[in-house]
Amino acid sequence: GAGVSQTPSNKVTEKGKYVELRCDPISGHTALYWYRQSLGQGPEFLIYFQGTGAADDSGLPNDRFFAVRPEGSVSTLKIQRTERGDSAVYLCASRFTGAGANVLTFGAGSRLTVL
Amino acid sequence: AQTVTQSQPEMSVQEAETVTLSCTYDTSENNYYLFWYKQPPSRQMILVIRQEAYKQQNATENRFSVNFQKAAKSFSLKISDSQLGDTAMYFCAFTANAGGTSYGKLTFGQGTILTVHP
Repeated sequence: GAGVSQTPSNKVTEKGKYVELRCDPISGHTALYWYRQSLGQGPEFLIYFQGTGAADDSGLPNDRFFAVRPEGSVSTLKIQRTERGDSAVYLCASRFTGAGANVLTFGAGSRLTVL
Repeated sequence: AQTVTQSQPEMSVQEAETVTLSCTYDTSENNYYLFWYKQPPSRQMILVIRQEAYKQQNATENRFSVNFQKAAKSFSLKISDSQLGDTAMYFCAFTANAGGTSYGKLTFGQGTILTVHP
């Protein structure tokens, strides 16, 4: 696609439920990143994929958070047993990693509200 | 660990005037990149300008320019001829180059809300 697409745009769930957030990167972008942005704060890095593998998952806050990218394109961020503190905007970004590539393109994010 | 600090929670400017947003950072890296991103209410982060640490010349993109002071670890953004469409949250961000493998793993500041008044 022309840009990074994230679905759903907004998700409201109840405490304890499971949620999945989807990111569809720009075609041909091999690197994919997830960030979490709490209200009034800057985004915080969660995880980075190079192809199908997670190259760096040091930002995942705990084992309730998991992300996959099985075919090296679309990625899904999965949150188990959601807590109110998980409420945030989850941003996805992608980039091409060829020669001279250095521009990160962000999606519009998925706003998660845990009641 | 790297840190990025934006000390101005909010700024305002009159249309057509100039405004400067401040950013300081802390790192032990010698080779890195600095960025300014704009986030309008649509939530999508838009790259405004990028500076490579090894380049002494300050980056410029049309009405946007930076004042990069490597020794002072300072990276301010100047917006000239401010326009109503510049109203947004602005974030300063840092990434270590690390051979390119960690490029894209950004550390962001807390943001500055800029309002341009007609």
